Amino acid sequence: NAGVTQTPKFQVLKTGQSMTLQCAQDMNHEYMSWYRQDPGMGLRLIHYSVGAGITDQGEVPNGYNVSRSTTEDFPLRLLSAAPSQTSVYFCASRMGLMKETQYFGPGTRLLVL
Amino acid sequence: GESVGLHLPTLSVQEGDNSIINCAYSNSASDYFIWYKQESGKGPQFIIDIRSNMDKRQGQRVTVLLNKTVKHLSLQIAATQPGDSAVYFCAENTGFQKLVFGTGTRLLVSP
Repeated sequence: NAGVTQTPKFQVLKTGQSMTLQCAQDMNHEYMSWYRQDPGMGLRLIHYSVGAGITDQGEVPNGYNVSRSTTEDFPLRLLSAAPSQTSVYFCASRMGLMKETQYFGPGTRLLVL
Repeated sequence: GESVGLHLPTLSVQEGDNSIINCAYSNSASDYFIWYKQESGKGPQFIIDIRSNMDKRQGQRVTVLLNKTVKHLSLQIAATQPGDSAVYFCAENTGFQKLVFGTGTRLLVSP
């Protein structure tokens, strides 16, 4: 198993550009989520999904869209990038909804100029 | 311990020492807690977890202690090794789908 994979590893965007951060897992996990990690702050939940076709907002959803058409994939879209979205983004997955080990991907480092 | 701010608190230890990393959590209703290790440039890695009906849980070289009275969690690493150098942070489950993460403590292990 590859676990949770994320692409790209690094990305530089100009303000107003759009892009999609890719996330995939091969563990047949139902629950997937996106976090951002900023200096001096803990991981903050952006969006999550409890299964294919179901998504919901986390703590900091503004400026981001997600979709979950398959169990394996959970892309995160930035429609119009802003400097405030400069961060490291982590995708995570786990089998169940509660009290299950959550596996994180290696992260995508995003710089918005 | 952990704090909100621009600079992570740092714990420096010698190889072979025992390390204790502390975490103060916020929600008295939280019922599940996790410790993660994050090495530079990598995603967080699960270390150990504990449910609120326990006050101690042991893994391989790691022990987590939970004190619900003062809302405090600690991670003890026995015989710390250079490979243990990383940022460690705790997370609390405050409710459905809600994991709240601490900001982390940097552990530096000198040979």
